[in-house]
Amino acid sequence: GAVVSQHPSWVICKSGTSVKIECRSLDFQATTMFWYRQFPKQSLMLMATSNEGSKATYEQGVEKDKFLINHASLTLSTLTVTSAHPEDSSFYICSASWGPHNSPLHFGNGTRLTVT
Amino acid sequence: AQKITQTQPGMFVQEKEAVTLDCTYDTSDPSYGLFWYKQPSSGEMIFLIYQGSYDQQNATEGRYSLNFQKARKSANLVISASQLGDSAMYFCAMREGRTGNTPLVFGKGTRLSVIA
Repeated sequence: GAVVSQHPSWVICKSGTSVKIECRSLDFQATTMFWYRQFPKQSLMLMATSNEGSKATYEQGVEKDKFLINHASLTLSTLTVTSAHPEDSSFYICSASWGPHNSPLHFGNGTRLTVT
Repeated sequence: AQKITQTQPGMFVQEKEAVTLDCTYDTSDPSYGLFWYKQPSSGEMIFLIYQGSYDQQNATEGRYSLNFQKARKSANLVISASQLGDSAMYFCAMREGRTGNTPLVFGKGTRLSVIA
């Protein structure tokens, strides 16, 4: 089945530093990837939609200069949290669309970010 | 307005019993898909079942079935013969349109606890 690999699984960084999270589709080409954020005991909130070779589309309230998304190839999308602050601590999870509208999104295993 | 509503923050069920997790949705798009995902404490998102807006029959996948009532805009998940391993968060989600590049919108989730 379709597999999405997300790396790292967890990261601890100091306030003010940047963190890059990678999301790879291992056995299929993903023209579209989605980035979600999940705070503890809450639902998944869409941050942005990433299309290969074009700029990402950000949801309202998500700072595009803070959460840089790059989708340089059909198998890789990256999310960089720039100048991270403690309030950015969250669970970030990517997903990829591999087929028609009735196919489920396949999710990476998520990245737990802690900013100290 | 919320597109996906899950009104049960938490549910308890006895092992081997059946349980129904509620989900209602709101959309004006005639084409949409409804998905259920399970999220154990590890954080991974596990796809369970899909129901398309034009599907005539309720979807079933093993112990999972979806009670789709289109006129009421509800898509309840039924888990039969509950097992201890079913304890997790369950999210109902919707995807609008007929393309594969639209995101899933999630409900707030229901935490299911299976009691021995």
